[in-house]
Amino acid sequence: ILNVEQSPQSLHVQEGDSTNFTCSFPSSNFYALHWYRWETAKSPEALFVMTLNGDEKKKGRISATLNTKEGYSYLYIKGSQPEDSATYLCAFPVQGAQKLVFGQGTRLTINP
Amino acid sequence: KAGVTQTPRYLIKTRGQQVTLSCSPISGHRSVSWYQQTPGQGLQFLFEYFSETQRNKGNFPGRFSGRQFSNSRSEMNVSTLELGDSALYLCASSLVLSGGAGETQYFGPGTRLLVL
Repeated sequence: ILNVEQSPQSLHVQEGDSTNFTCSFPSSNFYALHWYRWETAKSPEALFVMTLNGDEKKKGRISATLNTKEGYSYLYIKGSQPEDSATYLCAFPVQGAQKLVFGQGTRLTINP
Repeated sequence: KAGVTQTPRYLIKTRGQQVTLSCSPISGHRSVSWYQQTPGQGLQFLFEYFSETQRNKGNFPGRFSGRQFSNSRSEMNVSTLELGDSALYLCASSLVLSGGAGETQYFGPGTRLLVL
């Protein structure tokens, strides 16, 4: 059974602070990792697709890094804003199976 | 470009009934995947369709089924509903979910099903 784990499960951060959280995945047979942001009452929105070891992606104040050898990815948010409040999901595509295996998500709440 | 749409958005059924949910993918997308989200379980993969063929199925009982039409629209059906089927059902589309290129899936808003 393929396990994708995220930590922490929830996080409360003061507005303006920076934060980060982790996604752990199987390091064997890796070829991609997805990050999604899911705001309440909206659709999950794709943030990044990461494919190379050492990859670093950035979108505004959000960035992500990837270590495929040890099987983890970090998502960083710099200078958190209330609109960053969401659940952040990572997902691991299963090769040859046309499906994504999702972690449980990190629920981020930004306190004004 | 219009996003993924799902209908209905909310649904209340009683145990033993059946339900059909619909998903219209982004124009040009040929792969449609379905996921179930319940509290504490996260997003669980149900099945994926491409060109009217189911290519993969998750670990769900046979009461869960689906199909895809020639225009790539997809439906999923749950027969003999149980209380535990209460969940948010999401569909996602992609151009061609090859499983190799890390292709992005685009999600719809979901159908929230409540079984009483």
